[in-house]
Amino acid sequence: AQSVTQLDSHVSVSEGTPVLLRCNYSSSYSPSLFWYVQHPNKGLQLLLKYTSAATLVKGINGFEAEFKKSETSFHLTKPSAHMSDAAEYFCGVSGFDSSYKLIFGSGTRLLVRP
Amino acid sequence: KAGVTQTPRYLIKTRGQQVTLSCSPISGHRSVSWYQQTPGQGLQFLFEYFSETQRNKGNFPGRFSGRQFSNSRSEMNVSTLELGDSALYLCASSLAERSNTDTQYFGPGTRLTVL
Repeated sequence: AQSVTQLDSHVSVSEGTPVLLRCNYSSSYSPSLFWYVQHPNKGLQLLLKYTSAATLVKGINGFEAEFKKSETSFHLTKPSAHMSDAAEYFCGVSGFDSSYKLIFGSGTRLLVRP
Repeated sequence: KAGVTQTPRYLIKTRGQQVTLSCSPISGHRSVSWYQQTPGQGLQFLFEYFSETQRNKGNFPGRFSGRQFSNSRSEMNVSTLELGDSALYLCASSLAERSNTDTQYFGPGTRLTVL
């Protein structure tokens, strides 16, 4: 069965410093991997997705993620945090062994300090 | 293109009542999935509908049901509401390709409060 583990429930960074949100996955087949962001009282917005093309995926708002099969990881990074990045981030996996249901991690809340 | 819309945005109900939530997918999208989001359990998959048929189901009691209409709009229903049903209910739509290229796009959610 597919599963996702987000290794940090909270991450705090200063504005202008790099962001790293960690995600590990488990899948028997080649998965699709996603990062979504949720601002307070909003739905989920797609940041980026990996679907077996390039292993380095660029998304919106300067975010990118690297698929590392050997480490079963799909960490989200951004070179320089902005105050508007403060939100909750969800990593998700989908694929054949979940009947293409989207399975989410528990979320990482990103706090950006001025 | 308009995004996924959900109505109503907020609902307050009392225990024992029932509730119906509505979701209109992105134009051209044929699949609608529903998720429940709570602080304790996170994001949990409820069910997916495609061509008016339930294609996938999560681990929720039978009080939770849904349906899809011929125009791909979907409704979910919760009967005999319990306090624990208080949550943000999110709807997502996709093209429904059974492949790794399919992507789900989410609506703003319906916030249900059960008193």
